[in-house]
Amino acid sequence: DAGVIQSPRHEVTEMGQEVTLRCKPISGHNSLFWYRQTMMRGLELLIYFNNNVPIDDSGMPEDRFSAKMPNASFSTLKIQPSEPRDSAVYFCASRVTGTGRSGANVLTFGAGSRLTVL
Amino acid sequence: GQNIDQPTEMTATEGAIVQINCTYQTSGFNGLFWYQQHAGEAPTFLSYNVLDGLEEKGRFSSFLSRSKGYSYLLLKELQMKDSASYLCAVNTGTALIFGKGTTLSVSS
Repeated sequence: DAGVIQSPRHEVTEMGQEVTLRCKPISGHNSLFWYRQTMMRGLELLIYFNNNVPIDDSGMPEDRFSAKMPNASFSTLKIQPSEPRDSAVYFCASRVTGTGRSGANVLTFGAGSRLTVL
Repeated sequence: GQNIDQPTEMTATEGAIVQINCTYQTSGFNGLFWYQQHAGEAPTFLSYNVLDGLEEKGRFSSFLSRSKGYSYLLLKELQMKDSASYLCAVNTGTALIFGKGTTLSVSS
């Protein structure tokens, strides 16, 4: 398995521009998560999907952020317009949702997209 | 609200044992995870506790007390490559919420 695949790995853009981050989860995983990581705030949950349906987007900072999951193998996180304070590493992660002591619930992360907004 | 606390930084020497503590107060609980993250890389899974007690996996062990809202990660026979950030994360039943991480520096 290729793991969780994110693109782009690095993005440098100017304030006001639209940014789209992409994620392909592990095949067979039914939950997908978007996190943002900064030195100050650590790893923050932005939004997560279960079976392609957004379950909780309360972590999305504001209306400039939006996320979609049109099918089980693809998700996007969009920032429009971008601001310098959005500079961070954005991680996508996926898992099989289950309970108990099995390997389910283990979250596998992509390599991340490092965003710099000038 | 959700609150997960762990020390910001720790230092240790090669060959030593270090214990990284984590306390949590969350709206739900369905297991606690420890992840390791090297600088510039993604977090990777280390251990998982859903019942009270100790889980051992090689040089790493993790302990959970659900009544106390407490966990620790124990690293034995420290090696330089163990220098990384260690993230405590609680599965609330729907999402995985992370602490800010403990940066461990191992010196020779």
